[in-house]
Amino acid sequence: EAGVVQSPRYKIIEKKQPVAFWCNPISGHNTLYWYRQNLGQGPELLIRYENEEAVDDSQLPKDRFSAERLKGVDSTLKIQPAELGDSAVYLCASSPRGAGGHNEQYFGPGTRLTVT
Amino acid sequence: GNSVTQMEGPVTLSEEAFLTINCTYTATGYPSLFWYVQYPGEGLQLLLKATKADDKGSNKGFEATYRKETTSFHLEKGSVQVSDSAVYFCALQGGSEKLVFGKGMKLTVNP
Repeated sequence: EAGVVQSPRYKIIEKKQPVAFWCNPISGHNTLYWYRQNLGQGPELLIRYENEEAVDDSQLPKDRFSAERLKGVDSTLKIQPAELGDSAVYLCASSPRGAGGHNEQYFGPGTRLTVT
Repeated sequence: GNSVTQMEGPVTLSEEAFLTINCTYTATGYPSLFWYVQYPGEGLQLLLKATKADDKGSNKGFEATYRKETTSFHLEKGSVQVSDSAVYFCALQGGSEKLVFGKGMKLTVNP
């Protein structure tokens, strides 16, 4: 079974530029998560999708961050414009069931973003 | 809100040494508790979990017991190997399904 796929693995951009990250979850997983992991910290949730609906985006900085999950499969996370403080690893995870069950989240390898 | 506090390290041990990584949590209700591991160059992987008080999670020689009275979920292994070198994260999951992580602890095991 293929795992969670993320691309690109690494991205270096200048501040004020836009950037996008892509995630393909495990087949059949209807719940998708985006986390941000700052250096030396644990991951923090940005947004959670149940199918194509964003059910928890309370931690997403909506002035510059946006996300979408068209057709309830792949997802894209965008930052526009990027700031120096956005340098981090962006992790995507998926799990096989929705709210109410504590199901294992499977993580992708992450995208390491460096903003210069 | 929910939070996790864990030993931060980094920690260096010799092969076959005993390992304990402390983890305590603050949460409303009855969260599930997890240990995730991140090997160099790889993504986060679930190491073990416990979903209710007094449950013991175990995997690959690692163990952790869900202690509600002390709000703890300490990770232990009796004899570490070089291949256990990684970053270990304690995490909890409440009713919202959001995982709340500790800061992680980097472990290096020398031969």
